[in-house]
Amino acid sequence: ETGVTQSPTHLIKTRGQQVTLRCSSQSGHNTVSWYQQALGQGPQFIFQYYREEENGRGNFPPRFSGLQFPNYSSELNVNALELDDSALYLCASSLWGNEKLFFGSGTQLSVL
Amino acid sequence: SQQGEEDPQALSIQEGENATMNCSYKTSINNLQWYRQNSGRGLVHLILIRSNEREKHSGRLRVTLDTSKKSSSLLITASRAADTASYFCATVSGGYNKLIFGAGTRLAVHP
Repeated sequence: ETGVTQSPTHLIKTRGQQVTLRCSSQSGHNTVSWYQQALGQGPQFIFQYYREEENGRGNFPPRFSGLQFPNYSSELNVNALELDDSALYLCASSLWGNEKLFFGSGTQLSVL
Repeated sequence: SQQGEEDPQALSIQEGENATMNCSYKTSINNLQWYRQNSGRGLVHLILIRSNEREKHSGRLRVTLDTSKKSSSLLITASRAADTASYFCATVSGGYNKLIFGAGTRLAVHP
């Protein structure tokens, strides 16, 4: 049990819709990262937030956006959903400067 | 894009046997980490080895790193059915903590 909680656990959307996924960081952690994991693949880095600002971004289009709040919780927003967005979305929290990440159990997103 | 490649993609062994998984990567790294994932859910950090280290132990886990060959191995000794999971290596390079994962090894340990 890592102390990182994500909601919802499962979500079904249709193509073109928008979705918001939520993450509550482990207590004391000030950095949050989001990853996308397609079926049978390793997670791919989407972006990282520190002090409420995006601190690094992977190879994802602008329709993937995020927020980090003063309490270090975070949201991942995806606009104009595509079928290929179907995946497990993982949130990970850490303390800035510490390389070890603590992952939540993920949100399974299905786009129909 | 994936940085690491794990080998084998799948491994099936009996309880009590050792399991060895290998990982290769492409660019220079700050550190390499191994994570475990049960049934497609969250990942759990197992062990971290820095680029200036060659071997590290944690309980039944032994990790080696060969930066000249850009490869690492994870050895699980005396495996148990509860070790059944997917195992991923992830590398860190650059100024912030962005993990680049391989595609993973699916380990099945049979009682």
